[in-house]
Amino acid sequence: DAGVIQSPRHEVTEMGQEVTLRCKPISGHDYLFWYRQTMMRGLELLIYFNNNVPIDDSGMPEDRFSAKMPNASFSTLKIQPSEPRDSAVYFCASRMTGGTEAFFGQGTRLTVV
Amino acid sequence: AQSVTQLDSQVPVFEEAPVELRCNYSSSVSVYLFWYVQYPNQGLQLLLKYLSGSTLVKGINGFEAEFNKSQTSFHLRKPSVHISDTAEYFCAVKARTNDYKLSFGAGTTVTVRA
Repeated sequence: DAGVIQSPRHEVTEMGQEVTLRCKPISGHDYLFWYRQTMMRGLELLIYFNNNVPIDDSGMPEDRFSAKMPNASFSTLKIQPSEPRDSAVYFCASRMTGGTEAFFGQGTRLTVV
Repeated sequence: AQSVTQLDSQVPVFEEAPVELRCNYSSSVSVYLFWYVQYPNQGLQLLLKYLSGSTLVKGINGFEAEFNKSQTSFHLRKPSVHISDTAEYFCAVKARTNDYKLSFGAGTTVTVRA
């Protein structure tokens, strides 16, 4: 398996623009997590899905953030409108039920100017 | 809820010297413990994990960690580091009774110098 695949690896956008980050989890994994990493706050869990259903989105910072998982092999994290303070590395991770380890993608480095 | 404290934010070390990264956790329930490594511009990779059994856990790249329940610690060690061990290291905890949330420490940056 190729692992968790995220795209794009880098994104630079202007303030106010819509940004969409994409994730393909490992096949067979039924949990998907979105994390944000910043210098100030470290690694924060934003939202997670189980069997494509959002279970806990309490970590999503604002209504500008939304996430979807239309099927078992694809998820998106959208920021609309984007702001400079959204600049961070966003990670996607997946895990299977009963598994103890989460597998992480390479991350998307987002810069909002 | 669980929380993790990594006691050192930066650890400089010379090549072939030993290194220890300290991690303490807090939880009202039994937990699983993990160490992840993040190389520059890379994602997180699992180094090792403690689930149960022997409190000394061996991982990849010569790393090991010891679970100490009484001190609620899970310190990571390597007897001899290489330049390639330069990375950020994260301690993480997950409740055994909770199926989803992995809580991370703030990370420790290890810089190995020749």
